[in-house]
Amino acid sequence: ETGVTQSPTHLIKTRGQQVTLRCSSQSGHNTVSWYQQALGQGPQFIFQYYREEENGRGNFPPRFSGLQFPNYSSELNVNALELDDSALYLCASSSGWDEQYFGPGTRLTVT
Amino acid sequence: TQLLEQSPQFLSIQEGENLTVYCNSSSVFSSLQWYRQEPGEGPVLLVTVVTGGEVKKLKRLTFQFGDARKDSSLHITAAQPGDTGLYLCAEYNNNDMRFGAGTRLTVKP
Repeated sequence: ETGVTQSPTHLIKTRGQQVTLRCSSQSGHNTVSWYQQALGQGPQFIFQYYREEENGRGNFPPRFSGLQFPNYSSELNVNALELDDSALYLCASSSGWDEQYFGPGTRLTVT
Repeated sequence: TQLLEQSPQFLSIQEGENLTVYCNSSSVFSSLQWYRQEPGEGPVLLVTVVTGGEVKKLKRLTFQFGDARKDSSLHITAAQPGDTGLYLCAEYNNNDMRFGAGTRLTVKP
């Protein structure tokens, strides 16, 4: 059984650019949640996808969007990057809101 | 908006000491989870508490949920360097997951 994987590990982008982050969920899980963790803070919930549909969203603007694919892997897209988007982006897979298994994260730096 | 307040923010102790960290809210928790996050990794679930007054033990870790379900504590006995990490409390409620800012624990050998 493979765990949750995320790619890339690190990424540097320029303000105004767009970025796509990827997450492969754990085998048997149909739900993926995305979080933003700024330095020194706890994770903040961005949104959750359940069976390819958005199933809850935190307080993030529409330039944060996502997709979930039939194999339950997921993408997080961020448009018009801002300096404050610099953070660790975590995805977590689960079966519904049962125990979430987190990936190691993607560290995004916006310059 | 319910805020999860964790204290202390930072804690540095010697190996063998005991410690307690706290998670508080102005509102009632539906349920509460505790996670540990190590550098370069995602959080790992330690425990979920649901019932007011509940106490759960995980080896040297003891988790307590307040009777009124507005506070929780995590007590570590005889801390070890491997306990070093960021301890986070979190609540799931109404298709939203909220985390506290965490307590960063350092256990020195």
